Amino acid sequence: GENVEQHPSTLSVQEGDSAVIKCTYSDSASNYFPWYKQELGKRPQLIIDIRSNVGEKKDQRIAVTLNKTAKHFSLHITETQPEDSAVYFCAASIPGYQKVTFGTGTKLQVIP
Amino acid sequence: ETGVTQTPRHLVMGMTNKKSLKCEQHLGHNAMYWYKQSAKKPLELMFVYSLEERVENNSVPSRFSPECPNSSHLFLHLHTLQPEDSALYLCASSQDNQGLQPQHFGDGTRLSIL
Repeated sequence: GENVEQHPSTLSVQEGDSAVIKCTYSDSASNYFPWYKQELGKRPQLIIDIRSNVGEKKDQRIAVTLNKTAKHFSLHITETQPEDSAVYFCAASIPGYQKVTFGTGTKLQVIP
Repeated sequence: ETGVTQTPRHLVMGMTNKKSLKCEQHLGHNAMYWYKQSAKKPLELMFVYSLEERVENNSVPSRFSPECPNSSHLFLHLHTLQPEDSALYLCASSQDNQGLQPQHFGDGTRLSIL
């Protein structure tokens, strides 16, 4: 089955700096990679996703890059703000299955 | 967003009790999921239903019993739980049954086993 590793587990950045979270996956058949943000006491919410036919996707201050050869993908947040503080989860999904495998999460703290 | 609604939000029960968690989605999705979220662990998939049929069961103990009477409702029946079952139980739904669409989560039920 798929295995997703996520690093770092915690990340502190100064407001305005960039944050990068990295994930690796094991099954080369995976071709859908969503990222979720979970604020304290709230539900996980999709913030961005990427499919394997695309190497990079950007949405305002958030971008995701995918390297299928190396089987890793990363979340980039630029100009971080205090409201970006949350736990971020990466995930990988194999087509034809309903199962999504999640990473262990990264707790991001943006210091004002 | 109220697309996926879970009740109750909090539940405290003894190990011999029987209770049920409820999930309802108003998004017209075809697949529904139960996840267990414990501290410092990844989201653990428990059950997947696609078009009301169970398609995945990750060797979950029989004290957890899911039920999906229709595509909008999902239940998790609990019986004789253990203290280690205390966790946040999240329900999610997705549009397709191919695993290529994002999941929409409910707010979860915080379960505490005494």
